[in-house]
Amino acid sequence: GAVVSQHPSRVICKSGTSVKIECRSLDFQATTMFWYRQFPKKSLMLMATSNEGSKATYEQGVEKDKFLINHASLTLSTLTVTSAHPEDSSFYICSARDARTPEETQYFGPGTRLLVL
Amino acid sequence: AQTVTQSQPEMSVQEAETVTLSCTYDTSESDYYLFWYKQPPSRQMILVIRQEAYKQQNATENRFSVNFQKAAKSFSLKISDSQLGDAAMYFCASRADNYGQNFVFGPGTRLSVLP
Repeated sequence: GAVVSQHPSRVICKSGTSVKIECRSLDFQATTMFWYRQFPKKSLMLMATSNEGSKATYEQGVEKDKFLINHASLTLSTLTVTSAHPEDSSFYICSARDARTPEETQYFGPGTRLLVL
Repeated sequence: AQTVTQSQPEMSVQEAETVTLSCTYDTSESDYYLFWYKQPPSRQMILVIRQEAYKQQNATENRFSVNFQKAAKSFSLKISDSQLGDAAMYFCASRADNYGQNFVFGPGTRLSVLP
């Protein structure tokens, strides 16, 4: 199946700094990617939908100025957590939509664990 | 809007036995997909099985099968001949069959497999 990568796999940063997480579709073009957040022992919650060449669509309650999403190419979406705080510590997972398939199969990245000290 | 409910936070099964995980959902969409995903300790989301809502026949994938009751909005997962490697979090999810739609996940069921 198609592969989606995320980088870094884990990151530790100081409070107040910014962290960028990359999501790449390795063998297909993804016009749409999704960013999810998962707290410990909880389910995945959609943060935003990232469309190539246009502004991301954020879910209610997600601060767009804090979680900057850029989808500048058909294989790369980035999530930047700006001025990170300890409460931003979480597991962030992206998924990418493969429009080649009739059912628009989506593939998940392996996730990025963010710890803000 | 879509919602997905999993009423069993934790389940356990003896190795080689069969276990059924429950899932109910609600959606206003006429066309949609239902999924079961497995999340092992590595936290990589792994697709277990997928069901197109317009198909009456229940999906099967080797030891995994579903019982899809559309009228009741129920989508349970049966794991036969359970193996130690099946231990994981299992998430039921729905996705509308429209352009570029996201998943809506249930809260998950943690499955333990006892040797």
